[in-house]
Amino acid sequence: GQQVMQIPQYQHVQEGEDFTTYCNSSTTLSNIQWYKQRPGGHPVFLIQLVKSGEVKKQKRLTFQFGEAKKNSSLHITATQTTDVGTYFCAGFNAGGTSYGKLTFGQGTILTVHP
Amino acid sequence: DVKVTQSSRYLVKRTGEKVFLECVQDMDHENMFWYRQDPGLGLRLIYFSYDVKMKEKGDIPEGYSVSREKKERFSLILESASTNQTSMYLCAIQTSALLDEQFFGPGTRLTVL
Repeated sequence: GQQVMQIPQYQHVQEGEDFTTYCNSSTTLSNIQWYKQRPGGHPVFLIQLVKSGEVKKQKRLTFQFGEAKKNSSLHITATQTTDVGTYFCAGFNAGGTSYGKLTFGQGTILTVHP
Repeated sequence: DVKVTQSSRYLVKRTGEKVFLECVQDMDHENMFWYRQDPGLGLRLIYFSYDVKMKEKGDIPEGYSVSREKKERFSLILESASTNQTSMYLCAIQTSALLDEQFFGPGTRLTVL
């Protein structure tokens, strides 16, 4: 079945440093979504990318969807302590038989040291 | 605001017990999902439902069943709990639109002794 691999599993940064997490899918995706889970919380939707090569920005966060729609990345510029948490990508393949089913990556746990 | 509630935040059960986890939404969303979250494995889909009395297996359905008798309520059932089912269980909802985001409940941390 479809697999979504996400790296790195952990990332420790000093406040002000940049951070990037990467997602790779075994199959071509129809869209990819990104979620953030604060410690002790539940995943919260950040953004969705649909088009090949799409780039979207939310303040210090930049999201990219690869040209082949098989990979994606999230880049945070100048991290802050409020950025701590686990970041998940989740891919959807409309070619599959399951309607509305997302496949989540393993997540990247970000720690920011002040 | 979309509200997804789960019956318990923490639950401790014994091996062999039947366990019910409930998820309730306050919107009229069709799609509801049950995931389990384990360190290093991300969120793995157990079952989902896209309408009342409809259900579909996710990636790891073994040892679980579900029930959806009313649109707002989706239950996850562990027929005979085992220690390897100790995990965080997350319920999520989604509108019927194909590309919409999922909204998650607060989660239930289940410990099976």
